[in-house]
Amino acid sequence: DGGITQSPKYLFRKEGQNVTLSCEQNLNHDAMYWYRQDPGQGLRLIYYSQIVNDFQKGDIAEGYSVSREKKESFPLTVTSAQKNPTAFYLCASSNRGIDKNIQYFGAGTRLSVL
Amino acid sequence: GESVGLHLPTLSVQEGDNSIINCAYSNSASDYFIWYKQESGKGPQFIIDIRSNMDKRQGQRVTVLLNKTVKHLSLQIAATQPGDSAVYFCAENGLSGGSNYKLTFGKGTLLTVNP
Repeated sequence: DGGITQSPKYLFRKEGQNVTLSCEQNLNHDAMYWYRQDPGQGLRLIYYSQIVNDFQKGDIAEGYSVSREKKESFPLTVTSAQKNPTAFYLCASSNRGIDKNIQYFGAGTRLSVL
Repeated sequence: GESVGLHLPTLSVQEGDNSIINCAYSNSASDYFIWYKQESGKGPQFIIDIRSNMDKRQGQRVTVLLNKTVKHLSLQIAATQPGDSAVYFCAENGLSGGSNYKLTFGKGTLLTVNP
């Protein structure tokens, strides 16, 4: 998985609960991303970060939050405001400062609602 | 708006045949494209990329063709093997807000290789 570790592999959320998905990379990449994938669908961008202590909303940020306190780590919190959280969540990273954007992905976290 | 889509959602081929997966894009300003392979339950894996100043690029058993006139991208897999069975996504370099970091992904094509 290219040096990107996502945990846990499976996660269950109860009604009204916040849950946090972990993403760690050892590729020394500046940029990191979170995507949501629903069955039979492409990847939709939730949040991305180009540098430590900075991040931007993607296309479907509502109900999610992130932090980027360390270069290696970009955790995603699925809040209780996200009413339909069941999906496959993918974290990716890429180099910054070059004119290509090959994003390398982790193995994903599958989130389900109890 | 920007969009990346696929002509065929599923493709079934015989082992040893060549496979062609197609992708259409709508943003003529996009200048970089990537093909990813995603096996069931795993994250997408980079296959090959191409810049808009190229028409063709070859890798190991794979070739990507870019037709900027009709905004069409294709991935050709030679001598398709059972291990090639997966969902294939094309992705387009998004130029939103001057950032070259965002990728826009198509919905994917499921390739099934029959032995």
